[in-house]
Amino acid sequence: AQSVAQPEDQVNVAEGNPLTVKCTYSVSGNPYLFWYVQYPNRGLQFLLKYITGDNLVKGSYGFEAEFNKSQTSFHLKKPSALVSDSALYFCAVRVLSGGSYIPTFGRGTSLIVHP
Amino acid sequence: NAGVTQTPKFQVLKTGQSMTLQCAQDMNHEYMSWYRQDPGMGLRLIHYSVGAGITDQGEVPNGYNVSRSTTEDFPLRLLSAAPSQTSVYFCASGPSDGVGSGNTIYFGEGSWLTVV
Repeated sequence: AQSVAQPEDQVNVAEGNPLTVKCTYSVSGNPYLFWYVQYPNRGLQFLLKYITGDNLVKGSYGFEAEFNKSQTSFHLKKPSALVSDSALYFCAVRVLSGGSYIPTFGRGTSLIVHP
Repeated sequence: NAGVTQTPKFQVLKTGQSMTLQCAQDMNHEYMSWYRQDPGMGLRLIHYSVGAGITDQGEVPNGYNVSRSTTEDFPLRLLSAAPSQTSVYFCASGPSDGVGSGNTIYFGEGSWLTVV
């Protein structure tokens, strides 16, 4: 089955330190991968996506993600975490279903950045 | 610049009652969908639509109905609410969902539903 997995329910990091939120995928064909962020009591906001081209994708708020085909991963990274980055992060992949590419989301990873 | 608008934001229902969650988008998106978000379960797709007059089931469709009579609107109907439907519901929309599409989808702010 085509899917995306986020192996960590929660990631804790100190402010100023680098952060990584992990995502692995399982799809046939070329993957279309996305990261979204959800702040408390809000909808999901798009951060970045990988379609093709450079494996390192840059997005909003200083985040970036690295596509690794051999490891089937698309980890989200930021060089220096901010307390305001604390939120729920979702990895997503568009999978083929009934002729349409439907977004499928991971379970989410709660990022907590400590002052 | 409305984007995706969901109403109501909060609702309390009694078991067995019916209601409709409204979703409207002003971006002329062909793709629209409903997700529910539950603790530890992430986002699960309920129903989706790739254009007016076309709907399909997602991962958890039971207990929910949808219709797509216009491009702008995609209401979600609960015919007989159950406590298991207590959740946060998100509507999302995106541009034409062609083969190999890498199009971004956009979310509404959510609707908090409690069934007692």
